[in-house]
Amino acid sequence: AQSVTQLDSQVPVFEEAPVELRCNYSSSVSVYLFWYVQYPNQGLQLLLKYLSGSTLVKGINGFEAEFNKSQTSFHLRKPSVHISDTAEYFCAVTQNSGTYKYIFGTGTRLKVLA
Amino acid sequence: GAVVSQHPSRVICKSGTSVKIECRSLDFQATTMFWYRQFPKQSLMLMATSNEGSKATYEQGVEKDKFLINHASLTLSTLTVTSAHPEDSSFYICSARGRRWGDEQYFGPGTRLTVT
Repeated sequence: AQSVTQLDSQVPVFEEAPVELRCNYSSSVSVYLFWYVQYPNQGLQLLLKYLSGSTLVKGINGFEAEFNKSQTSFHLRKPSVHISDTAEYFCAVTQNSGTYKYIFGTGTRLKVLA
Repeated sequence: GAVVSQHPSRVICKSGTSVKIECRSLDFQATTMFWYRQFPKQSLMLMATSNEGSKATYEQGVEKDKFLINHASLTLSTLTVTSAHPEDSSFYICSARGRRWGDEQYFGPGTRLTVT
């Protein structure tokens, strides 16, 4: 079984500062990893995904994440945040076979301050 | 490509009534659809997985008689909340997966259900 841990429930950061949102996972099999963003009262928007290949993944809106198999991490980063990045961010994992169920982390609320 | 829609986006119903939520894959055939529930300020919890033409597989703790899921075609799945109560009020999100798009799920915009 897989699990996902997002240790930071809230991350406040000033506008134009860099940010890192942490995600750790556990799994006994190979996995796919995802980061989603959710704005209030909206569905999920995919930021980026790791399926295979390069461990540095670039996504939309200037976000990137690095898959680190030895540390079982998939941290999300952005070098300079904007007010509009204020939202809830979810990390998700799924095994790359079988039912393809997603397991979501508990989410990190990114609040960008002016 | 890979667009998933949900209808309605918001619904208010009275306690004891039933409400149906539709999830459609607009430009691909969804071999598998998933239904999630999200309480305020919480993560998404998988309720059930449905494959076209077969019965849904419910997660532990989810009442299958209360949350009826039908995946009648490769582009449509429905979730019916039967005899709704205020505690069923939540944000319901569906996702779909199709062979063409590999192993990724594509999410709908969600449906806000309020039971009064």
